Amino acid sequence: AQRVTQPEKLLSVFKGAPVELKCNYSYSGSPELFWYVQYSRQRLQLLLRHISRESIKGFTADLNKGETSFHLKKPFAQEEDSAMYYCALSGPSGNTPLVFGKGTRLSVIA
Amino acid sequence: KAGVTQTPRYLIKTRGQQVTLSCSPISGHRSVSWYQQTPGQGLQFLFEYFSETQRNKGNFPGRFSGRQFSNSRSEMNVSTLELGDSALYLCASSLDTEQYFGPGTRLTVT
Repeated sequence: AQRVTQPEKLLSVFKGAPVELKCNYSYSGSPELFWYVQYSRQRLQLLLRHISRESIKGFTADLNKGETSFHLKKPFAQEEDSAMYYCALSGPSGNTPLVFGKGTRLSVIA
Repeated sequence: KAGVTQTPRYLIKTRGQQVTLSCSPISGHRSVSWYQQTPGQGLQFLFEYFSETQRNKGNFPGRFSGRQFSNSRSEMNVSTLELGDSALYLCASSLDTEQYFGPGTRLTVT
C-alpha cells in the first residue's frame, strides 16, 4: 500500500537553527516524491520535488531509497518559513494520484 | 497565467442536501484532481479527471461524484450530505506530475 508518514505534527525551532522535517514512505516501485507547503492564508503550493534536485528557499530534500525517506532540511530557519509542510508521493508516470502525509506544522521562533 | 479558481469559496448546507463545487484549471492543463482536507484525516484524494474521463478514484462513497467538461473545467457533486462531509475541498490542475492547487471551497454541513 502507498503511504506517507510524517511523524511530527508540530516542530518548533529558533530562528537561525537547522530544520529537518521527516518523511517516510511506503511504495512498491519508484515513486516521485514532493514537498508541498501551505503558508498562512495561502494555497497549497509545491516547494520541491526529488527529480529536480533543486534548493528552493534554502530547503533541500534527498531521497534515500534504502531508508524510504525524503526528509526536508534547511540549515538556518527563518521566521517566514513558519507554515504547514506536506510530504507527498505519486507513481513515476504521473498518472497516479498524490498521496499526502498528514503534515508537519513548522513554527520558527524569533 | 491565472491560477486555479474554485467557486464558491464558502458554502453552508444542511444534512441530506446536495452540493456542487466548481473548479477552473490553469489554461492548458487537462488534468484536474479533487481532494478533501480535514483536520483529522488530512488531505485525501477524491478523484482525477483527464480529458473528460475519470482516470483515478479515491476511496470515497458513491455520494461523491465528479465530471469534467471539454474546456477542462470540473465539478464535483456530493449528494445526501452528512455532517462528516464538512471539509475544505481542494482542486488541483496539472500538466505533468506537478499539481497546482486552488484556494479551496470550505463546506460546512449543519
